[in-house]
Amino acid sequence: SQQGEEDPQALSIQEGENATMNCSYKTSINNLQWYRQNSGRGLVHLILIRSNEREKHSGRLRVTLDTSKKSSSLLITASRAADTASYFCATDARTGGGADGLTFGKGTHLIIQP
Amino acid sequence: KAGVTQTPRYLIKTRGQQVTLSCSPISGHRSVSWYQQTPGQGLQFLFEYFSETQRNKGNFPGRFSGRQFSNSRSEMNVSTLELGDSALYLCASSPAQGGMETQYFGPGTRLLVL
Repeated sequence: SQQGEEDPQALSIQEGENATMNCSYKTSINNLQWYRQNSGRGLVHLILIRSNEREKHSGRLRVTLDTSKKSSSLLITASRAADTASYFCATDARTGGGADGLTFGKGTHLIIQP
Repeated sequence: KAGVTQTPRYLIKTRGQQVTLSCSPISGHRSVSWYQQTPGQGLQFLFEYFSETQRNKGNFPGRFSGRQFSNSRSEMNVSTLELGDSALYLCASSPAQGGMETQYFGPGTRLLVL
């Protein structure tokens, strides 16, 4: 079953603009992670934010987490053509201790127009 | 360190056959997880192995099985293949001993069942 739901499903912006995608989930979590996938290849880990954290930065990435709303957002600043990919949020549910693995959303497909 | 490797990269089988996929984790990683990715269901957790023991299992039929060897390499097997088993199968490794921390994914094995 899908725990996370990303929004929007697809996003097209101009190079240099900022891209924001959102993720909502259903159950209490230990952590929430964001991954990138290029053209049906393997996933690349971007950032992990724990349930007791509210914001985290990594280079051009900024992730926020609101556990009261069960939602997270990923902001990519100054986008580049190479950022074109699908972005997934994934949660480690608190009750499972990993028993459900990571539960992924369906992803946001980001297209950066040159 | 070398990344996660998966073999074979592409596979074509017919209904009723069985298939074995292999995954070599990053050196030193003892946790190996498997995921199935399809356009309809997205990314779904199959199972996780740690120190040769299946630690967690997703909601898949018994036709899906796996194992892990003493060198942490893992294999997954699907018996009596069905058309719906066509998917990208992703393996991920992690150094974490508990829960679902950062996962390092391989490039995947694309399985087509005819």
